[in-house]
Amino acid sequence: EDQVTQSPEALRLQEGESSSLNCSYTVSGLRGLFWYRQDPGKGPEFLFTLYSAGEEKEKERLKATLTKKESFLHITAPKPEDSATYLCAVQGFRGGFKTIFGAGTRLFVKA
Amino acid sequence: NAGVMQNPRHLVRRRGQEARLRCSPMKGHSHVYWYRQLPEEGLKFMVYLQKENIIDESGMPKERFSAEFPKEGPSILRIQQVVRGDSAAYFCASSPTGSGQETQYFGPGTRLLVL
Repeated sequence: EDQVTQSPEALRLQEGESSSLNCSYTVSGLRGLFWYRQDPGKGPEFLFTLYSAGEEKEKERLKATLTKKESFLHITAPKPEDSATYLCAVQGFRGGFKTIFGAGTRLFVKA
Repeated sequence: NAGVMQNPRHLVRRRGQEARLRCSPMKGHSHVYWYRQLPEEGLKFMVYLQKENIIDESGMPKERFSAEFPKEGPSILRIQQVVRGDSAAYFCASSPTGSGQETQYFGPGTRLLVL
């Protein structure tokens, strides 16, 4: 069964303190791995899609990387406005069209 | 900015009533996904639809829940005879062609409270 595990559950950083969020996944043939940001009371906001091991994508202070077993979301010099829950999700070729989400990492960035 | 629209944003129902949640996909998108998010839990896939077709309903509860996406109009998630455990945020997402590798864009959600 396809699974996604995110760690840590929560992460508290000082402004400017870089760190990484982890997404470990088990999937029968990766169709795509997705990162989203979710603010309280809102829908998930798309960040990145990764398709194959070795792929990297960047957007402002965020960089997503992918291996065969996990993905990392690197946050460089975070700001308080980066505080949110970051969600990782996968789709596998044998899972039909079901997208499996992790429970998320809640990031708090203090000024 | 024609993003994914959901209404109502908040819905309060008493036990035994019916809840109807509506989702209008982004312009140009013909594929819709519904998810449920319980408090402090992750998003759980419910159903994937194209216009006039249910493609994958493997995440839908067997009873009381149904979904449709008619040729005209929004997609509807219908919950009959609601119970307190149905209280959750329900999100829909849309994609252009549903190839599976496409990004899904989410709406703001409908927060259902069952009294």
